[in-house]
Amino acid sequence: SAVISQKPSRDICQRGTSLTIQCQVDSQVTMMFWYRQQPGQSLTLIATANQGSEATYESGFVIDKFPISRPNLTFSTLTVSNMSPEDSSIYLCSVEDVGSKGGELFFGEGSRLTVL
Amino acid sequence: AQKITQTQPGMFVQEKEAVTLDCTYDTSDQSYGLFWYKQPSSGEMIFLIYQGSYDEQNATEGRYSLNFQKARKSANLVISASQLGDSAMYFCAMRENSGGSNYKLTFGKGTLLTVNP
Repeated sequence: SAVISQKPSRDICQRGTSLTIQCQVDSQVTMMFWYRQQPGQSLTLIATANQGSEATYESGFVIDKFPISRPNLTFSTLTVSNMSPEDSSIYLCSVEDVGSKGGELFFGEGSRLTVL
Repeated sequence: AQKITQTQPGMFVQEKEAVTLDCTYDTSDQSYGLFWYKQPSSGEMIFLIYQGSYDEQNATEGRYSLNFQKARKSANLVISASQLGDSAMYFCAMRENSGGSNYKLTFGKGTLLTVNP
């Protein structure tokens, strides 16, 4: 199983600012996934980050708001730009367990952002 | 239409008893996978169990089992001998294997389980 580390674990941000979340995996992976979990809600996929190519964004999410970097096979960042209180969420990085039967996802501990 | 439906926002169970968390799904794919995750108050997502659509037997992992009824499109999670540490949010998720997005998991809204001593 992969070990995923996310930074920061939590932060309080001011409206209009931007914050970058880092995700480090202890093994090389092809795809990394960024999810958002708004308060009391389920997880929604923001985008898929592939090394060496542009991230693929899901409907309702755009690159200007959530730019993603994937400089190598073990690291990715997600930036939440020009934040508003509606961006207060847990942001989770995940990777697929390609060696498992179902290919389940492993998740980082999440980054809990509060926007004032 | 929702692809994953969890109709129980909250459930209560006595310690040491069994509990069933409901999950129904909607897909036209023949090949798909179903997953259950646990999310404690700390926020981490913990994988519990997986069921493939072609698996003939219900999946089991320790105290967790999945009651898979394909014709009814249900994949209920059964937790036996509940423990206080089982108190958490539980999410059902599905991966469909068509449309070029076979890596994507779609999650239900979750069920908050509380285990009472």
